[in-house]
Amino acid sequence: NSKVIQTPRYLVKGQGQKAKMRCIPEKGHPVVFWYQQNKNNEFKFLINFQNQEVLQQIDMTEKRFSAECPSNSPCSLEIQSSEAGDSALYLCASSRNERLFFGHGTKLSVL
Amino acid sequence: AQSVTQPDARVTVSEGASLQLRCKYSYSATPYLFWYVQYPRQGLQLLLKYYSGDPVVQGVNSFEAEFSKSNSSFHLQKASVHWSDSAVYFCALSMESNNRIFFGDGTQLVVKP
Repeated sequence: NSKVIQTPRYLVKGQGQKAKMRCIPEKGHPVVFWYQQNKNNEFKFLINFQNQEVLQQIDMTEKRFSAECPSNSPCSLEIQSSEAGDSALYLCASSRNERLFFGHGTKLSVL
Repeated sequence: AQSVTQPDARVTVSEGASLQLRCKYSYSATPYLFWYVQYPRQGLQLLLKYYSGDPVVQGVNSFEAEFSKSNSSFHLQKASVHWSDSAVYFCALSMESNNRIFFGDGTQLVVKP
């Protein structure tokens, strides 16, 4: 069973508002991923970290999101100005030895 | 470029029947290959993974998958499904350790009683 904890479980925001979600990775997992899963089950990779440093991120994340993974604090992903198209399930996963362990996700609805 | 294709969006089988969920990948070398399952309102759970060695990989809940380099495939199989196996199954690949994982679009499995 995964021990990746994501909060909140549900998040409702208006367009233009900030939307922040958090993730506590499994202890001892050095790599953390964020994915966006839309209603068609399609996954979009957003960003990953290794030991607090960004490994990879897509353009959208760089321009519109703020993400960090500090030591001894939860990782966070924040949309600076929410858009309707951001409505999705945001999944955090931590990794050790190529295996990803996912949290239950934060379901974001942008009204 | 790397990609994962799951040609069946939805598969319906009767309880007790055998199952195969298809997965084809595109990558020039041998990737890390995974099958994940997603139950409603939950995150993904790893069923099994392959990188090298025996092409038939055993996973949790009696699932197994067979890697075929010649066919660029990694099909998931189960000898006898249970109603609780109803979920969405994702095939995925990664090019190297701790690199981003590319997911297929998923196959919705419906197990009829």
